[in-house]
Amino acid sequence: EAQVTQNPRYLITVTGKKLTVTCSQNMNHEYMSWYRQDPGLGLRQIYYSMNVEVTDKGDVPEGYKVSRKEKRNFPLILESPSPNQTSLYFCASSLRTGVDTQYFGPGTRLTVL
Amino acid sequence: GESVGLHLPTLSVQEGDNSIINCAYSNSASDYFIWYKQESGKGPQFIIDIRSNMDKRQGQRVTVLLNKTVKHLSLQIAATQPGDSAVYFCAENEDFNKFYFGSGTKLNVKP
Repeated sequence: EAQVTQNPRYLITVTGKKLTVTCSQNMNHEYMSWYRQDPGLGLRQIYYSMNVEVTDKGDVPEGYKVSRKEKRNFPLILESPSPNQTSLYFCASSLRTGVDTQYFGPGTRLTVL
Repeated sequence: GESVGLHLPTLSVQEGDNSIINCAYSNSASDYFIWYKQESGKGPQFIIDIRSNMDKRQGQRVTVLLNKTVKHLSLQIAATQPGDSAVYFCAENEDFNKFYFGSGTKLNVKP
């Protein structure tokens, strides 16, 4: 089944404790992207990747890092999480660029205490 | 970032009626627009898209209208069904890679 998977689905952590949210797709997509969703603000793009080793900042990249060492994986790294990064995070992928249909993962709900 | 907003946060319609969800955008350089549906506890799901060189595009029971003069986008759902109840987002695309989403409209379909 073609899908985007994220792990973990739920995470409660404390300020300053490094964490990684994994994202994997099995569709051989070149484009991948991370979003955060907050009430009243919709989705905001954090980072995106056009292909392996090619990443760029979205609208709200501060406090996040990404890497794209393999085509299928696009982990989101929070080196020192803070409470304002409490949010619902979505990973998405599309075939080539962002204008191809994006497929979203199920989301990761992160709480930073 | 660019401003992509919605006129109404919540829309209630009777089952079988047509629904219209509106969206305003501010970047006149955006050339690609997308509507997503998000059901509770799930990720957004693509519904329909439209490029800036088009005014209208139709899918199955859905139509997207683009008015570039007033920077307005709308999603029309024909014969709304209970399964259409969800939050709907519009998004605009810049440079093929960056996306800006609206805050969403919640559609409630009354039986």
